[in-house]
Amino acid sequence: NAGVTQTPKFQVLKTGQSMTLQCAQDMNHEYMSWYRQDPGMGLRLIHYSVGAGITDQGEVPNGYNVSRSTTEDFPLRLLSAAPSQTSVYFCASSLGVSSGNTIYFGEGSWLTVV
Amino acid sequence: GENVEQHPSTLSVQEGDSAVIKCTYSDSASNYFPWYKQELGKRPQLIIDIRSNVGEKKDQRIAVTLNKTAKHFSLHITETQPEDSAVYFCAASQSNDMRFGAGTRLTVKP
Repeated sequence: NAGVTQTPKFQVLKTGQSMTLQCAQDMNHEYMSWYRQDPGMGLRLIHYSVGAGITDQGEVPNGYNVSRSTTEDFPLRLLSAAPSQTSVYFCASSLGVSSGNTIYFGEGSWLTVV
Repeated sequence: GENVEQHPSTLSVQEGDSAVIKCTYSDSASNYFPWYKQELGKRPQLIIDIRSNVGEKKDQRIAVTLNKTAKHFSLHITETQPEDSAVYFCAASQSNDMRFGAGTRLTVKP
């Protein structure tokens, strides 16, 4: 199993550009989520999904869109990048957080918006 | 939503000493409390977790305690080693919305 795979690993964007961070998992997990990590602020939940066709907002959803058309994939879209979105983004998956299952993280995507 | 506070933000100990990191949470319905370790430039990885029906859990040099009445839980690392140096995150959830603390940077001095 590859686990949780994120691409790209590094990206530089100009303000106003849009892009998609890709995330895929091969563990047949129903739950997938996106977090951003900023210095001194820990991991903050952006969006999550409990299955194909179902998405929900987390703590900091503004400026981001998600969709879940398949169990395996959960892309994160930045609609119009802003410098405040410079961060490290982690995709994660689990059999189910509400039932106390482990969350597995991808390797992270370092995004810089200039 | 759930709010998790973590203390201290930095912790420095001598090799062989114990380290304790504490977290408080706001939602009394939270029932799952994992701890993650993140080494520099790497992904967070689960090191131990505890569920609300248990007060304490141990795994070799690592233990977690939970006080549901006071809504706080702690990570205890005994006989610390230089390889324990990392950032540690606590988290809490009662649904699919898991919230993390801000992290503790632990440094173990040889």
